[in-house]
Amino acid sequence: GDSVTQMEGPVTLSEEAFLTINCTYTATGYPSLFWYVQYPGEGLQLLLKATKADDKGSNKGFEATYRKETTSFHLEKGSVQVSDSAVYFCALSGDNQGGKLIFGQGTELSVKP
Amino acid sequence: EAGVTQFPSHSVIEKGQTVTLRCDPISGHDNLYWYRRVMGKEIKFLLHFVKESKQDESGMPNNRFLAERTGGTYSTLKVQPAELEDSGVYFCASSQDPRTGYNPTYGYTFGSGTRLTVV
Repeated sequence: GDSVTQMEGPVTLSEEAFLTINCTYTATGYPSLFWYVQYPGEGLQLLLKATKADDKGSNKGFEATYRKETTSFHLEKGSVQVSDSAVYFCALSGDNQGGKLIFGQGTELSVKP
Repeated sequence: EAGVTQFPSHSVIEKGQTVTLRCDPISGHDNLYWYRRVMGKEIKFLLHFVKESKQDESGMPNNRFLAERTGGTYSTLKVQPAELEDSGVYFCASSQDPRTGYNPTYGYTFGSGTRLTVV
């Protein structure tokens, strides 16, 4: 079945450091790919998405490119801030799945001043 | 517009007891989903309602879990009897996309979750 694998955390960075969180997936067909973020005490929020190969999703300085050849959707940010501390989840929604999301295990990011 | 509301936000119960979680979706959203995250692992799909009907309940772990959505508005998820492994965070989400359930542009709206601890 479809699955998502993302790098384990926690990840601890200093402010202004470069961030990469790796995400790879296994799926039949052409899934849509997403990054969700959960800030402390809040619900899951959609951070960015890409619906077809080579699409680049971007939001709040974060980017991720849908790479079908490597089945990857790595999350990057050039300069993290303390306010980016959160848990990040990579997810996919497959074809004809009624909107069901398949998530990775989440990566906790802690940014220190 | 009110978001997706879940309550309680936290619940601590003893093994063998019953707990009922509630989710109020955004008004007018036909699609309602339950997910849970156990022990820092991945968030797993439990089930999907379209209005009051169960569209997909393939993720329900066993018959101790019962989900209902009477009248197609709010939903409840009952765990009876609760076991230690049921501890985790239970998320609810809603969406208004009658074709697929998921709106690729706007996504779902998730609630803040209910943290369930079974001791």
